[in-house]
Amino acid sequence: GAGVSQTPSNKVTEKGKYVELRCDPISGHTALYWYRQSLGQGPEFLIYFQGTGAADDSGLPNDRFFAVRPEGSVSTLKIQRTERGDSAVYLCASSLKLGGPTDTQYFGPGTRLTVL
Amino acid sequence: GNSVTQMEGPVTLSEEAFLTINCTYTATGYPSLFWYVQYPGEGLQLLLKATKADDKGSNKGFEATYRKETTSFHLEKGSVQVSDSAVYFCALSWSSSAGGTSYGKLTFGQGTILTVHP
Repeated sequence: GAGVSQTPSNKVTEKGKYVELRCDPISGHTALYWYRQSLGQGPEFLIYFQGTGAADDSGLPNDRFFAVRPEGSVSTLKIQRTERGDSAVYLCASSLKLGGPTDTQYFGPGTRLTVL
Repeated sequence: GNSVTQMEGPVTLSEEAFLTINCTYTATGYPSLFWYVQYPGEGLQLLLKATKADDKGSNKGFEATYRKETTSFHLEKGSVQVSDSAVYFCALSWSSSAGGTSYGKLTFGQGTILTVHP
């Protein structure tokens, strides 16, 4: 079956602009996570969705970042007033159950965001 | 807080050499431990996992044993191939809770670049 998909694969924007990054999880997966991976580093947790609600957004760096999952499937990560420091690969992952700690998270290919 | 430390890289080996990539962790309680791999041009894939102490995860000839006494989860392979060239990430998942349901957000190490030459 289809894996986690993310669009766009690459996004180049100018400082101060607004961007939206989309994640389409594996069908039937109820748990959805967003991570951010800077160059040469491991991914860092941003936010976790349990169904439609953001159950843990403790990893969002500031209030310019926001994410939604209105129907419990597709999620959109929104970044306002982008800064050069936001440049990174944004990864989405989903898991089958309600995201238990032993569950395998399946990752999408990521969106590479470049802020000029 | 939780953290994962991987050995410094990059690692360069000849085909059929023995591989060890060290990983140690700091966490409260009993985390689950994972190795993820990122092949060139591809997304992160789960390589193997272990969910409790003394468990051994294995896949594609790779192995790692969850050692609680040394807080380690070292990755090993007896004979590497050129196709194993990739970036390897050690990660832990620690049980958090939201609305009464537990979940596990991953904490990753910084990654180790492995290059295998013919």
